[in-house]
Amino acid sequence: AQSVTQLGSHVSVSEGALVLLRCNYSSSVPPYLFWYVQYPNQGLQLLLKYTSAATLVKGINGFEAEFKKSETSFHLTKPSAHMSDAAEYFCAVSDGAGANSKLTFGKGITLSVRP
Amino acid sequence: GAGVSQSPRYKVAKRGQDVALRCDPISGHVSLFWYQQALGQGPEFLTYFQNEAQLDKSGLPSDRFFAERPEGSVSTLKIQRTQQEDSAVYLCASRATGTHEQYFGPGTRLTVT
Repeated sequence: AQSVTQLGSHVSVSEGALVLLRCNYSSSVPPYLFWYVQYPNQGLQLLLKYTSAATLVKGINGFEAEFKKSETSFHLTKPSAHMSDAAEYFCAVSDGAGANSKLTFGKGITLSVRP
Repeated sequence: GAGVSQSPRYKVAKRGQDVALRCDPISGHVSLFWYQQALGQGPEFLTYFQNEAQLDKSGLPSDRFFAERPEGSVSTLKIQRTQQEDSAVYLCASRATGTHEQYFGPGTRLTVT
């Protein structure tokens, strides 16, 4: 069974500061990993994905994440926060394609950005 | 449109009523998923279709929940005899063949009173 742990439910940073949102996963097979962002009253938007290619993945809006197999982690970072980054962020894991490709999500982290 | 669409966006139902939630996936996407997102939680898997075949319904919480995709495109999630614990946002996602990422619709917020 797969699982995702997102420690802490809320992160607050100042505008221009580094953003670090943590994600640890558990999977019995090489995982596919994703970060999604959700703005209020909207669906989930894909930020980036890891699918066994490069371990450092770049996504939209200046976000990136690094897959570390030894630490079973896939932390999301952005060098400089912008006010528009305030949203909820979800890490998700999938263990394959076809019938096994359902996503298992973490509980999410709310990011606040202070002016 | 180019994305996944869902209707209605908001639904209020009295306890015991039946509801039907619609999902229009991205054109040509073979795979379709339904998720339930309770307040303050991450989405949880309900069911999965490949074309018109429902290959996994292990996440449906009870036999009051039923999903279909008769022509391999539009899907409907039906909840019979709604209960207060069914209040949640229901998200639909679709995925193209040969890819791994799922694209989500805006969701339907169901409130059972």
